[in-house]
Amino acid sequence: EDQVTQSPEALRLQEGESSSLNCSYTVSGLRGLFWYRQDPGKGPEFLFTLYSAGEEKEKERLKATLTKKESFLHITAPKPEDSATYLCAVQDANTDKLIFGTGTRLQVFP
Amino acid sequence: EPEVTQTPSHQVTQMGQEVILRCVPISNHLYFYWYRQILGQKVEFLVSFYNNEISEKSEIFDDQFSVERPDGSNFTLKIRSTKLEDSAMYFCASSHDRGVYEQFFGPGTRLTVL
Repeated sequence: EDQVTQSPEALRLQEGESSSLNCSYTVSGLRGLFWYRQDPGKGPEFLFTLYSAGEEKEKERLKATLTKKESFLHITAPKPEDSATYLCAVQDANTDKLIFGTGTRLQVFP
Repeated sequence: EPEVTQTPSHQVTQMGQEVILRCVPISNHLYFYWYRQILGQKVEFLVSFYNNEISEKSEIFDDQFSVERPDGSNFTLKIRSTKLEDSAMYFCASSHDRGVYEQFFGPGTRLTVL
């Protein structure tokens, strides 16, 4: 059964304090791994798609990486506006649906 | 920038009543989805819709649920007889086509069943 596990559940950072969020996954065949940002009461906002091990993508202070078993979302010098829940989702080779993890709730304090 | 829109933003209903949640996907997208998120839990897939028919559905999507694309722009989710446990945020999403395309989500409809 496809599964996605994210850690930590919550992360508190000081502004400028870099860190990483983890997403471990189990799928029969990975078609794609997706990162989304979700603000309270809002829909998930697309950030990145990663397709194969070794791939990396960057956007402003965020960088996503992928291995055969996990993905990391690195946040460099975060700002308070980066506070949100970050969701990881996988798409199995046999389906188009996304399977989500429970997310990491990030709080960045000034 | 094109976006997925959903109406209403909040729907309150009595148990046993029918509700219809509406979505307008991004205009050139061909593949549509409904997901839901119970408060404090993960986002869960309900159903996908392609070429005017259901492509895939989850165990949650039982006979009480139906989807429809009544015209060229709207995509609806109907719950025939709501239950207390249907209370959740319902998200519509769309993607350009099948396969590894990004799914773009709407802002959601918060459904409260009393």
